[in-house]
Amino acid sequence: NAGVTQTPKFRILKIGQSMTLQCTQDMNHNYMYWYRQDPGMGLKLIYYSVGAGITDKGEVPNGYNVSRSTTEDFPLRLELAAPSQTSVYFCASSYSKGTGKQETQYFGPGTRLLVL
Amino acid sequence: AQTVTQSQPEMSVQEAETVTLSCTYDTSENNYYLFWYKQPPSRQMILVIRQEAYKQQNATENRFSVNFQKAAKSFSLKISDSQLGDTAMYFCAFMKPYNDMRFGAGTRLTVKP
Repeated sequence: NAGVTQTPKFRILKIGQSMTLQCTQDMNHNYMYWYRQDPGMGLKLIYYSVGAGITDKGEVPNGYNVSRSTTEDFPLRLELAAPSQTSVYFCASSYSKGTGKQETQYFGPGTRLLVL
Repeated sequence: AQTVTQSQPEMSVQEAETVTLSCTYDTSENNYYLFWYKQPPSRQMILVIRQEAYKQQNATENRFSVNFQKAAKSFSLKISDSQLGDTAMYFCAFMKPYNDMRFGAGTRLTVKP
């Protein structure tokens, strides 16, 4: 049971390039999330998904896209990289029975992205 | 909008002593969840403790306990018998149902030998 895995661990992008950050969980969690953490700051929610085929915006969605075709995978897409997207990106997952009770989120190890 | 405030950017404590990290939050919700996460230099986010707002009893996990004051919107973390491995950034987080989690800016804790 690997938990939440993310690839790559580190990436340097040039302005205007695109890339996809991968996230996979093997805990059969229905909820998945993407956060970014800027230096010296807490995490901010970019997008989340409550199940395959369903995604929604978080606090800072601009410049990103997501998809959720399977329960296990939740990739984050950057289409036109900008220096403001330099950050550490965390994927997380949790399980909810749909009764309004929220379970704990488990985090991946993070992807450090540098846009130059 | 919900906000989470951690007023102590940095703290230090001697090994084996007790330290308390502060957190306040602002919300109009009645049903929500509060968390403390630890982030060591490895950057991994590790859950320390969780509190459900409808529970009056303060959560405890071994050496970690919270003081949850719902009326005051305060959620402090107490670490007893501090260990060198407790050195990390600590983030307070608020989550309402429907998955909108907000984090504070963090408190950097250093445990000194």
